[in-house]
Amino acid sequence: KAGVTQTPRYLIKTRGQQVTLSCSPISGHRSVSWYQQTPGQGLQFLFEYFSETQRNKGNFPGRFSGRQFSNSRSEMNVSTLELGDSALYLCASSLEAGGSKTQYFGPGTRLLVL
Amino acid sequence: AQSVTQLDSHVSVSEGTPVLLRCNYSSSYSPSLFWYVQHPNKGLQLLLKYTSAATLVKGINGFEAEFKKSETSFHLTKPSAHMSDAAEYFCVVTHSGGSYIPTFGRGTSLIVHP
Repeated sequence: KAGVTQTPRYLIKTRGQQVTLSCSPISGHRSVSWYQQTPGQGLQFLFEYFSETQRNKGNFPGRFSGRQFSNSRSEMNVSTLELGDSALYLCASSLEAGGSKTQYFGPGTRLLVL
Repeated sequence: AQSVTQLDSHVSVSEGTPVLLRCNYSSSYSPSLFWYVQHPNKGLQLLLKYTSAATLVKGINGFEAEFKKSETSFHLTKPSAHMSDAAEYFCVVTHSGGSYIPTFGRGTSLIVHP
């Protein structure tokens, strides 16, 4: 089975722009979660989608949004980019939702905001 | 509320010697606990997880962890380190029966000397 894929792998944007990141889960997985990884804040949970519905959300401003499509692929959007949004954005997929699920991570999208 | 403390930011061992990576947690609920490994420029890979079954959990690549409720700990061990174990390790806590809102530790960098 193919693993979780994320596109693009690298991205450079300027402050004020917006960006959309894409995540394709493992075939058959219906849950996709997104994370932000920075040297300062570490790994933080952004949100979780299951069957096209946002199930849970971390403590991030409304500039961060996402959606999931009927084929379980997910996109994450960040509007009005700030320098502090520079990070590695990881997505992970799983068969089920909930607190004890086993997740499979993609390689991440590295975003640099100038 | 929940939190995770990884007690060491760096651990240095020689190849062939035991590995101990320490993790303490706090949770208002029955927790699920995970250890993930991240190699440079890669996503996270699940090593093992505890979900209220056996307290001694065996994972991949010879790693194991013991859930100790009285000590609120979930330390990761391996009897003999290999050069390929050099990576960043993350301890994660979630609410096992409820919503998926994970809390990540800050990570422990494992250095393996030949």
